[in-house]
Amino acid sequence: DAGVTQSPTHLIKTRGQHVTLRCSPISGHKSVSWYQQVLGQGPQFIFQYYEKEERGRGNFPDRFSARQFPNYSSELNVNALLLGDSALYLCASSPGTDLGETQYFGPGTRLLVL
Amino acid sequence: KNEVEQSPQNLTAQEGEFITINCSYSVGISALHWLQQHPGGGIVSLFMLSSGKKKHGRLIATINIQEKHSSLHITASHPRDSAVYICALRGANNLFFGTGTRLTVIP
Repeated sequence: DAGVTQSPTHLIKTRGQHVTLRCSPISGHKSVSWYQQVLGQGPQFIFQYYEKEERGRGNFPDRFSARQFPNYSSELNVNALLLGDSALYLCASSPGTDLGETQYFGPGTRLLVL
Repeated sequence: KNEVEQSPQNLTAQEGEFITINCSYSVGISALHWLQQHPGGGIVSLFMLSSGKKKHGRLIATINIQEKHSSLHITASHPRDSAVYICALRGANNLFFGTGTRLTVIP
């Protein structure tokens, strides 16, 4: 069975641009969560979506948004990119809505903002 | 204010040594995860704990809810165990992550 997949693997953008990152969960998993990991730090929770609805949101500005599609895949959108948005963006899926369940992580998308 | 503190930040061990990584937290939780992150970024979930102790192969994880403390132990460490180990707490609709412990096991 395929694991969690993310695209693209790497991305370079300039300040002020917009970016869309994509995540496909493990088949049968209905929850997708997004995390930002700045170099040298632990991940930070951005969003959780379950059955197309937002179930959790971390302390991120409104420039960050996400959505989940009927097939449970998800997009993370970041507007008006800042240099500080450079990070590894991780997606994780799980069967249900509880973040206490085992989370299955994708390989991440490395975003560099110049 | 950091809800999760891990120690040590860096750890170098000789192959075969017993390893302990600690995670202390300041908030009430319902579950705690131990994660392993290899160079390149991929994260693997090792354990999810809400009480007591779990064992998987050479890895053992314990949690003391009253003391707000969890430990990850690696017995008979091996160079392939070299990675960053991260604990994460399940809060209300959120996960709080520690900054990780970078483990290097030398042959």
